Amino acid sequence: KNEVEQSPQNLTAQEGEFITINCSYSVGISALHWLQQHPGGGIVSLFMLSSGKKKHGRLIATINIQEKHSSLHITASHPRDSAVYICAVRYTGNQFYFGTGTSLTVIP
Amino acid sequence: KAGVTQTPRYLIKTRGQQVTLSCSPISGHRSVSWYQQTPGQGLQFLFEYFSETQRNKGNFPGRFSGRQFSNSRSEMNVSTLELGDSALYLCASSYTFPLGGYTFGSGTRLTVV
Repeated sequence: KNEVEQSPQNLTAQEGEFITINCSYSVGISALHWLQQHPGGGIVSLFMLSSGKKKHGRLIATINIQEKHSSLHITASHPRDSAVYICAVRYTGNQFYFGTGTSLTVIP
Repeated sequence: KAGVTQTPRYLIKTRGQQVTLSCSPISGHRSVSWYQQTPGQGLQFLFEYFSETQRNKGNFPGRFSGRQFSNSRSEMNVSTLELGDSALYLCASSYTFPLGGYTFGSGTRLTVV
């Protein structure tokens, strides 16, 4: 059973478009992470959230604790944003669960 | 500042053998966690160590074990390898536990034949 649901699974966008990736989880969490994985395997941690909103450059992450939902937004998308984006949650019992990932392709 | 170092990068083992993977965290980081990534199951959490103590363990059989040393370096061991253990094994380090930000290593690609 997958404890974390991500959508969409695949996303193709034109350069410059605004992108949203969604993540839903089932019970109380202590933190939610957004990860980026480029071809070749390397993973970069983008954000860790427990409430509210965080912004880093063109990336914005939000979380709604009541609705158990988080979104990752990319403004003015660029081909270098092409990667797999993974949502990971740490439940209050400290177990980590991962979404299946969203494969993003940004076309010039 | 050196990143998280995982060795070896690639490994081929025969079914039934055992394997040990190593992870050196960023200097000053005291938490190390391990993950398995396969095309079928995606990323799955294996275990997490902080200050030489296992703090958390995922749903993997007892063939998967790990430890953390006093210098925060960590090893994971898989005994009696099965074909299904073929995967990318990633470790990540963090300054604190449990709510630290994570820095990931490049992974060890294990192939079991």
